[in-house]
Amino acid sequence: QLQLQESGPGLVKPSETLSLTCTVSGGSISRSTLYWAWIRQSPGKGLEWIATIDYSGRTYYHPSLESRVTISVDTSKNEFSLRLRSVTAADTAAYYCARSPGTDLAPKDYFDHWGQGTLVSVSS
Amino acid sequence: QAVLTQPPSVSAAPGQKVTISCSGSSFNIGDNYVSWYQRLPGTAPRLLIYDNGKRPSGIPDRFSASKSGTSATLGIVGLQTGDEGDYYCGTWDSSLNTLVFGGGTKLTVL
Repeated sequence: QLQLQESGPGLVKPSETLSLTCTVSGGSISRSTLYWAWIRQSPGKGLEWIATIDYSGRTYYHPSLESRVTISVDTSKNEFSLRLRSVTAADTAAYYCARSPGTDLAPKDYFDHWGQGTLVSVSS
Repeated sequence: QAVLTQPPSVSAAPGQKVTISCSGSSFNIGDNYVSWYQRLPGTAPRLLIYDNGKRPSGIPDRFSASKSGTSATLGIVGLQTGDEGDYYCGTWDSSLNTLVFGGGTKLTVL
């Protein structure tokens, strides 16, 4: 059974970089029709898609976050990662990693497997 | 402010039926497929519906969904206390060029 598990610091200082990793087990990350994503939910708010990547490193970013975000993949470790630079209190959220099915050309616009999520607080 | 509008909460008795609405625009729901997610307390979100009305394997047929114009609706019949949680709709927005979600609806099974 496919499982996704987020890991990373639960507390990040303002202006620093938030770094999270999602480890995928029970399936390979290296399929051309699978895509891997980060989604977050700030307290009291709805879900917000951040970025998606495929095994080859092809990336898709939320336009409003693109300047601060890097998503990357490490197929040898079956994991993918998120880096969010210059964080502020507004980046405090539960961060989820998830999988999207897709085609060789693009991901579908939904997520069929999710991690449990990890809470990241931005505070000095 | 979420791009897609959902009621903050809905409630119904066990065994009854409930519907959750998701309202958008011609740029999102009106032009793209809608998906629905369930998040039960303390658990990861789960995909309930994709492509407007398709259920992934393992999702019971108590859950159904439809789309009409710029709105979508999730229906749950035979409500169980285990259905209590938050429900979200999602779709692509062709104007914003990003995936968008609703603000979520908290379902209470009285």
